[in-house]
Amino acid sequence: DGGITQSPKYLFRKEGQNVTLSCEQNLNHDAMYWYRQDPGQGLRLIYYSQIVNDFQKGDIAEGYSVSREKKESFPLTVTSAQKNPTAFYLCASSIQGPPNSPLHFGNGTRLTVT
Amino acid sequence: QKEVEQNSGPLSVPEGAIASLNCTYSDRGSQSFFWYRQYSGKSPELIMSIYSNGDKEDGRFTAQLNKASQYVSLLIRDSQPSDSATYLCAVKTSDSSYKLIFGSGTRLLVRP
Repeated sequence: DGGITQSPKYLFRKEGQNVTLSCEQNLNHDAMYWYRQDPGQGLRLIYYSQIVNDFQKGDIAEGYSVSREKKESFPLTVTSAQKNPTAFYLCASSIQGPPNSPLHFGNGTRLTVT
Repeated sequence: QKEVEQNSGPLSVPEGAIASLNCTYSDRGSQSFFWYRQYSGKSPELIMSIYSNGDKEDGRFTAQLNKASQYVSLLIRDSQPSDSATYLCAVKTSDSSYKLIFGSGTRLLVRP
């Protein structure tokens, strides 16, 4: 089955540690995205990538980093510089080009930092 | 001004009623609009997309778009308790990035 796999589902870390969230897709989509969702809030864009080896900052990129070395993979690192990292992180992908192409989401990773 | 605005709710309707969810957006050049449903603790799932002014129907769901008023809505007919969820309005930006900007969502509660 084609889809987007995020792992792990739950992640616990101590404050001050960097942590990397995995996102893999086998939909052959060019574009991939990372969103963050806080309780009772909508989704806010962290980073996105429209093509391999290229990515752009979204609205809340501070304290995060990404890489896009392969079309299928778009890992997100939450660094110790991120002031409030506890949140629900969602990875998504879409066909690049057509403006009417929707985003397809993975199941999310819930990160808790104490 | 927020780019995509929704009433946070909760919107409470009785089972069998029509639920009406509304969304306004600020990017006048936006051409693509989406409604996602999100159950508590889960990821969003696409229910409707709309690109042209007017109505688009899919089963019990109807999306309505008015670009002149920068307004998009979702109607759910014959609401069921299983429709209870948060509904997210999303708008694609008109620049070359084609980013998808989300509203904060409207929580719908369908009472049995």
